[in-house]
This record gives sequence, structure tokens and C-alpha cells, in this order.
Amino acid sequence: KNEVEQSPQNLTAQEGEFITINCSYSVGISALHWLQQHPGGGIVSLFMLSSGKKKHGRLIATINIQEKHSSLHITASHPRDSAVYICAVRRNSGAGSYQLTFGKGTKLSVIP
Amino acid sequence: EADIYQTPRYLVIGTGKKITLECSQTMGHDKMYWYQQDPGMELHLIHYSYGVNSTEKGDLSSESTVSRIRTEHFPLTLESARPSHTSQYLCASSPNGGGGYTFGSGTRLTVV
Repeated sequence: KNEVEQSPQNLTAQEGEFITINCSYSVGISALHWLQQHPGGGIVSLFMLSSGKKKHGRLIATINIQEKHSSLHITASHPRDSAVYICAVRRNSGAGSYQLTFGKGTKLSVIP
Repeated sequence: EADIYQTPRYLVIGTGKKITLECSQTMGHDKMYWYQQDPGMELHLIHYSYGVNSTEKGDLSSESTVSRIRTEHFPLTLESARPSHTSQYLCASSPNGGGGYTFGSGTRLTVV
């Protein structure tokens, strides 16, 4: 079982819809990252969370440390939001505590 | 502007050739990483460095090698490329103290 699980794997939405992508993890973490990868391959860091909630434009990320769960929400989705969204966690102790462990990603397609 | 640069963006090369993928960052980050990503799959750490003259192998075994002679530069070398090395290679960096990651645009390598 992967240490970082994302759902859904694929998501198709109509433009304007509210979108939620979920991430569950099974290890103790010091931070959780949400990343966006466009078809060209480059990755952009959207959020780094250790508690609570962060908002940037139409994107909202929340984390529940006790439940080991995070969600990424996109309000008023737009075709330009189409990308792969990746959840990654940084362990809080032990070997590799500065390194990220990645989920498989959620491929989002927003249709006009 | 602080950023991380990878070259080349795309590379098609014959079996047996030696190649070096370049990665440079202008942020003064101590930590740098190389990830390998096959199409539709998650990122896997192949090398990392915590500072000058520090290099370690990551979770995924790789025949590549890295060097860190200067803080800003973290090149990856394949002495003899093989078709099994065909993949996307992403470079990233992060500051001391556990701050956010910055990713490069990636190098898409095809070995024929």
C-alpha cells in the first residue's frame, strides 16, 4: 500500500464546477505539499501545509493532521485548470525526513 | 528572479552515449534533488544533496551519478545511455529549515 493515496485518479468536470481532490497518508509528516503538473511536464508548487487551511485565488487546501487527510478544492473551475494534481508529504522524522513521498496524482480535465 | 533551470528540455540520444542533464538554481538553496518520472506514474527520488560535496542515492535505484561542486549546480550524468533510461527527469531544490520546494521544467530523455 502506498504511503500517499490520492482520489480520484481521474476527474472530468464542466467549466464552473467546484472540484475536490483528496489525499490520505499513512506516515507522520511535518508538511504536505500540493503540486500542479501540466502536460509539458514542469511542476508548480501550489501549497505547503502543516495545519489548517490555505487559500490562493480559486484554490483552497485543507489538512486534518489527526485524520491524516488533505483536500484540494478548486472553485469555479476553468479549462486552464486541466492538469495533474499531486499530493506529496515530508516525513517528520527518521531517514529521509527532508524528502518528499508522492502520490500518483489526479488527472483533472475541465471541459468548456 | 529566483528560479531553477534544467537543460536540455528534450533530448533524443543513441544507446551507449554519455549524457549530462544540467540543473541550476539561483535561490541559494542547500538541498537539491533529482526525480525520475515515467509517463502517468509518480515521481521517484533518484539522487539528493544536502549541500556542496554531499550526494546520496534516493529510493529508486539509478545508474546515473550526480555531483555537487557548487551550491547552485547539480548535474546528473549517465555514462552509457540505454533505452531503459527513457523517462522524464525533474530537478528540485528546497531551503534549509523545511521550506517549500521549487521544481524545474524537467528533461524528457529518449534513448533510441
